[in-house]
Amino acid sequence: DVKVTQSSRYLVKRTGEKVFLECVQDMDHENMFWYRQDPGLGLRLIYFSYDVKMKEKGDIPEGYSVSREKKERFSLILESASTNQTSMYLCASSTGQGTYEQYFGPGTRLTVT
Amino acid sequence: AQKITQTQPGMFVQEKEAVTLDCTYDTSDPSYGLFWYKQPSSGEMIFLIYQGSYDQQNATEGRYSLNFQKARKSANLVISASQLGDSAMYFCASKRTQAGTALIFGKGTTLSVSS
Repeated sequence: DVKVTQSSRYLVKRTGEKVFLECVQDMDHENMFWYRQDPGLGLRLIYFSYDVKMKEKGDIPEGYSVSREKKERFSLILESASTNQTSMYLCASSTGQGTYEQYFGPGTRLTVT
Repeated sequence: AQKITQTQPGMFVQEKEAVTLDCTYDTSDPSYGLFWYKQPSSGEMIFLIYQGSYDQQNATEGRYSLNFQKARKSANLVISASQLGDSAMYFCASKRTQAGTALIFGKGTTLSVSS
């Protein structure tokens, strides 16, 4: 069974902290994505990666960075967390062929206080 | 700019009835695909159905079907014989142009199924 896992379901951090959100997939997928979901706004793309050590900015990269040192792992980093980064963060992966269907992790609900 | 529009913030339906969730898309890419995902209250995103722009027939997956009207740029999801477990948020999405396999999502429609 295909699987995308995220390191935490719920996370509470303080303003100014450095936050790491980890995502691991076991499907040998080339592509990995980080989205942010907010009520009324749908899912917005933060960053994505086509391959190890490659990254591309999405629609809302400000305040975030990413790291992909291994094919199966894609990390989202909040360099200095702010209250407006309180949100649901969803990781996804897809193969580089076919319909490009994305498989999602369970999400991390981050609260920054 | 590329856009996915879901105009229904919420829909209500009774068990066993059919329901249509609307989605319109705007893309200049001649080769695009359209996806529908379901998100229950637990939060995970579940892939439901896919329609390729060159597919001649409307996609179907069990109780889910896609009413794909290219001229109108619409890809509505039809759920037949609704069940209580269908209560969830539903997102329409399309492959982005100029961004490889990344998707662009609509804002979602919340479906509530009552007994």
